[in-house]
Amino acid sequence: SQTIHQWPATLVQPVGSPLSLECTVEGTSNPNLYWYRQAAGRGLQLLFYSVGIGQISSEVPQNLSASRPQDRQFILSSKKLLLSDSGFYLCAWGWNEQFFGPGTRLTVL
Amino acid sequence: GQQVMQIPQYQHVQEGEDFTTYCNSSTTLSNIQWYKQRPGGHPVFLIQLVKSGEVKKQKRLTFQFGEAKKNSSLHITATQTTDVGTYFCCSSNTGKLIFGQGTTLQVKP
Repeated sequence: SQTIHQWPATLVQPVGSPLSLECTVEGTSNPNLYWYRQAAGRGLQLLFYSVGIGQISSEVPQNLSASRPQDRQFILSSKKLLLSDSGFYLCAWGWNEQFFGPGTRLTVL
Repeated sequence: GQQVMQIPQYQHVQEGEDFTTYCNSSTTLSNIQWYKQRPGGHPVFLIQLVKSGEVKKQKRLTFQFGEAKKNSSLHITATQTTDVGTYFCCSSNTGKLIFGQGTTLQVKP
């Protein structure tokens, strides 16, 4: 069966610090991978998606970037965090039906 | 671009009462999906509807897709405390999910 992992589960970072969130998927090959952000009490906003290694599409201009160095690894990064980057970051795989990881709660202070 | 609007944003019901959330789009949708997110958790896929006028049931949950494929509803009969959470509708467009804002359901025991 397929499983999706995200870490860390929670993170508190100062403004201006770098960020690296990792997502890995097991039990499937060449999955479509997605990064979403959910602000407190809000819906999900698609940030990036990838259909293969090295292929990244950005949905909204922002302070973040994504990379896919391996088939089942998806990384969300920032060089300098902003207060507005706080939120719940969710990685997902799939196509029409998507399967979400447990998420990372990021607080930027 | 395509948008999916969802109402109400919040709903408080007494345990045993019914609950309905509505999803609307100004454009024809190829499909509609519903996800549930428990407090502190990640979204979990519930169901997908693809046919005009389609109705599907999962125990006390009834999902409908409108005849024009522009709206959908989720109805819960006789709510229980385990139904608490946020229910999202979304539509997929070439593998990208467009989420509604979600309806957060609170159930008073």
